[in-house]
Order: sequence, then structure tokens, then C-alpha cells
Amino acid sequence: KQEVTQIPAALSVPEGENLVLNCSFTDSAIYNLQWFRQDPGKGLTSLLLIQSSQREQTSGRLNASLDKSSGRSTLYIAASQPGDSATYLCAVSPSGAGSYQLTFGKGTKLSVIP
Amino acid sequence: EPEVTQTPSHQVTQMGQEVILRCVPISNHLYFYWYRQILGQKVEFLVSFYNNEISEKSEIFDDQFSVERPDGSNFTLKIRSTKLEDSAMYFCASRGGLAGEQYFGPGTRLTVT
Repeated sequence: KQEVTQIPAALSVPEGENLVLNCSFTDSAIYNLQWFRQDPGKGLTSLLLIQSSQREQTSGRLNASLDKSSGRSTLYIAASQPGDSATYLCAVSPSGAGSYQLTFGKGTKLSVIP
Repeated sequence: EPEVTQTPSHQVTQMGQEVILRCVPISNHLYFYWYRQILGQKVEFLVSFYNNEISEKSEIFDDQFSVERPDGSNFTLKIRSTKLEDSAMYFCASRGGLAGEQYFGPGTRLTVT
């Protein structure tokens, strides 16, 4: 059974700092990996999708990398801003036949201090 | 930009009552999902739906749960007889193709008293 772990559980950084969030998964047979942002009491906003054949994806100040063989992904946030404060979730979908449902980690709660 | 919508945003019900949670997926998407998140816990997969039938379901999705796509736009989750432990945020998601991102709705907070 796939397990997704995110470290750290919480992170507090001063505004302007670059930071890295970590995600690991136990089964490397994944189809893709998605990073989400969740604001308190709200839905999930998709940030980046990495296919299993890709090594990284970039969107603005965000860069996500994937090392499928070692079961790891990182989300790099450059020049953090207070508006980046949220919980960041990593989720993977399995390869093979199926509906590609997502298995989530518990998230990293990020606080960016002005 | 197209988005997934869900109604209601918050539903309070008494134990044993039936509830129906509604979702309107993105219009040209083919794959539909329900997930739930109990307060303080991980987001968990419940069920996926493709081509007018369930394609996969988790062990959480027992006989008390059902899904339906009654017309070309709505996708519903029904809980027949709610329990206290069904209290959670329920998210609907949709995806256009196999390689695509899943897009999530804002969620319905279900409170069972």
C-alpha cells in the first residue's frame, strides 16, 4: 500500500527566504505526482504536476523535482512571501491500470513571517 | 478559468439521516472523484467514476455510500444513513485525461450531530 510522508510537518521562515519542502513515497510505481496548496478550511489548489517520466516542473517561483527511483520529490519555493503561507500537500497516483486516484501526504504547514 | 463547484458549502445533519453532496465537474472532463478529509488528517480517496460507472473505490466506500451522475453536468455523493464519524470535508475532483491534473472543488463540510 502506498504511503506518502512529508517532512517537516511545519515550517516557519522569514519573508524573502528560499525554502524546500520534502515528500517521500514508498512505492516507486507511480504515474504522476501532484503538489497542492490548501488554505485553512478551503479546497486544494493544484500547483504543479510531474509525470513519472519527468525530472522537474517549474511554475513562477515554484520548482518541483521528482526522483522516482528513490521515491522522493521536493518543492522549492523561491523568495517566499507572506501570501505563500498555507499547507502544501504532495500526492501520487499509481501506475498500471486503474483510475489514477491520488494518495496524499499529511502536508507541510508553511508560515512566512513578514 | 473553468473550475469544479460544490454545494452546499456546509451541511449539518443528524445521525441516521441521508445526505446528498453535489458537484459540478469541469465540463469537458471525463474522470470524477470523491475524497474526504477528516479534521487534522490526510485527504483520503473514496471513489472514482468514469464512463457512467464506478471504476475504483476504497474500503471507506461501503454500502452506505453511492455516487451518481444524473445528467451531463452533476456528480453526486449520497450517504444513506450518516454516522458521527462521517463528519469531514468532502472534496470532488475531476480530470480531463489520464495524464492530466486533478482539479478539486472547494469542498463541502459535513457535520453529523
